[in-house]
Amino acid sequence: DQQVKQNSPSLSVQEGRISILNCDYTNSMFDYFLWYKKYPAEGPTFLISISSIKDKNEDGRFTVFLNKSAKHLSLHIVPSQPGDSAVYFCAATLLNNAGNMLTFGGGTRLMVKP
Amino acid sequence: GAGVSQSPSNKVTEKGKDVELRCDPISGHTALYWYRQSLGQGLEFLIYFQGNSAPDKSGLPSDRFSAERTGGSVSTLTIQRTQQEDSAVYLCASSLDIGRAPDTQYFGPGTRLTVL
Repeated sequence: DQQVKQNSPSLSVQEGRISILNCDYTNSMFDYFLWYKKYPAEGPTFLISISSIKDKNEDGRFTVFLNKSAKHLSLHIVPSQPGDSAVYFCAATLLNNAGNMLTFGGGTRLMVKP
Repeated sequence: GAGVSQSPSNKVTEKGKDVELRCDPISGHTALYWYRQSLGQGLEFLIYFQGNSAPDKSGLPSDRFSAERTGGSVSTLTIQRTQQEDSAVYLCASSLDIGRAPDTQYFGPGTRLTVL
């Protein structure tokens, strides 16, 4: 039972346009969500996060939106750059559990074309 | 180094052999996590350590998997009698303080394990 799902395995976007990566979750107890970016042969690197008490968090070109009623979050990258090409993982966690282990989605491969 | 390091970067082994994977967390990080990513899959949580203690081992796939951490630093993940389905990239992450949320996990580059 996948608690975090990224239904689009890949996404192709033109440089300068907006990239929108989507993520759905089933566990309503999750209270913190994160996006990680992964280049080949490297570990995931933290990108941006959002608490369940917020519906938006922005950091430069990256904005994460959370819709709790729909159990849906999205990552917007504006403007997209070729260096953004990577696999993006959505992750969720329960802040008060013993461990803060992350539950990851399957990832979306973003390709930004020059 | 400043980041999480893992060794070896690649490991090819024969079915039935034992393997040990090593993780060096960021200095001062008290929490350490092991995940694995099988081909075409997302990251699957395996186990975490708070200091040298692993409070919850239920994420380990089978009793062939074990992990330990000594001195609150280096951790080893051991897989006994490896099977082909164990082939995956094993990722280690560390964070500053498991009791302080939110707590960003920093990942190492992973060990790619191939069981023939």
